[in-house]
Amino acid sequence: DGGITQSPKYLFRKEGQNVTLSCEQNLNHDAMYWYRQDPGQGLRLIYYSQIVNDFQKGDIAEGYSVSREKKESFPLTVTSAQKNPTAFYLCASSPRARGTDTQYFGPGTRLTVL
Amino acid sequence: DAKTTQPPSMDCAEGRAANLPCNHSTISGNEYVYWYRQIHSQGPQYIIHGLKNNETNEMASLIITEDRKSSTLILPHATLRDTAVYYCIVSLGGGTSYGKLTFGQGTILTVHP
Repeated sequence: DGGITQSPKYLFRKEGQNVTLSCEQNLNHDAMYWYRQDPGQGLRLIYYSQIVNDFQKGDIAEGYSVSREKKESFPLTVTSAQKNPTAFYLCASSPRARGTDTQYFGPGTRLTVL
Repeated sequence: DAKTTQPPSMDCAEGRAANLPCNHSTISGNEYVYWYRQIHSQGPQYIIHGLKNNETNEMASLIITEDRKSSTLILPHATLRDTAVYYCIVSLGGGTSYGKLTFGQGTILTVHP
């Protein structure tokens, strides 16, 4: 089946630890995105990548880092510099990085920092 | 990207049509209107999008006014599984935020038996 997978579904970490969230797609999409969602809020863009080995900051990139070494993978690291890391993290992909291309979302990872 | 305004919540009876409005009065000529929905604790699901003409697919219909300042998403026969938050998004793409979707608070649609 084609789609986007995120793992794990739930993740718990102690304060001060870095944590990496996985996002894999087998849709052969060029563009991938990371969003953050807080309770009762809409999604906010963290980072996006248009092609392999390239990525750009979104609206709330501080305290996060990404890599795009392979077309199908776009992992997100939540560093200890992120002040409020507890949130629902969503990964998405689209055929190309244009507003006219539909974005398809993964199931999300719920991160809780204790 | 243009901002959108949606009612915070709506109710609909099962089997009836659900009509969800969205205002986007500052939309520019090359911006598309997208609709997504999000069922609790899941990733958003694409529903439909359009530029000027009305659009229909297996999930819904999208009606865009002639001046493009507002639109309506229509779920023709709502079911309990359609209970979700519905997001209306105007997207330009290009520039420094390719493909960025700006999600607001959306409309919580509750379908009642």
